[in-house]
Amino acid sequence: EVQLAESGGGLVQPGGSLRLSCAASGFTVSSSYMSWVRQAPGKGLEWVSVIYSGGSTYYADSVKGRFTISRDNSKNALYLQMNSLRAEDTAVYYCAREAAAGPGVFDYWGQGTLVTVSS
Amino acid sequence: QLVLTQSPSASASLGASVKLTCTLSSGHSSYAIAWHQQQPEKGPRYLMKVNSDGSHSKGDGIPDRFSGSRSGAERYLTISSLQSEDEADYYCQTWDTGIRVFGGGTKLTVL
Repeated sequence: EVQLAESGGGLVQPGGSLRLSCAASGFTVSSSYMSWVRQAPGKGLEWVSVIYSGGSTYYADSVKGRFTISRDNSKNALYLQMNSLRAEDTAVYYCAREAAAGPGVFDYWGQGTLVTVSS
Repeated sequence: QLVLTQSPSASASLGASVKLTCTLSSGHSSYAIAWHQQQPEKGPRYLMKVNSDGSHSKGDGIPDRFSGSRSGAERYLTISSLQSEDEADYYCQTWDTGIRVFGGGTKLTVL
């Protein structure tokens, strides 16, 4: 059974840093495309970043240069390093697996972890 | 620019059917999309992928009441025999190399 579990959220001051983790089970992270998606309070879903199985990474313009996506194959885990955080980064952050049969389709989602950027 | 447009809200009665629409931006009418459901206070759940030819493939455990189709640049999600638990936000989503895009979402109210 595919499962994704995010952790690492919390309260951080503007300009601070935070690292989110996503523990995966039931499939191999390194063989999959994996994304981070966020949802600001009361707002819609916003894609943040993707890492391809080959290692290429891409980012939304809103986080480029501040966030870094990575994975640890030995731990079967996905990460999001967030630096220079801003109030507008406040959101629930979800990790999502992209379908093997159709990369780009988020076929499994985690339950999310809340990041609050505030002084 | 790859953009998805959804109506902000829709409503239908218990037991009835509803058809939600997602429109692809100009020049992208051949793109496939995916539909996701987000019930109140929950994370999103994958419903299905709708291909450019109108065929669709559903996620694990998605009931037959949910189906997908297309017409030109529009992609549809039809929910029949509406149940109270179908009251949720519905997002369409698409992709290209290095980018993933969500529509603004449709809030479905079951009357």
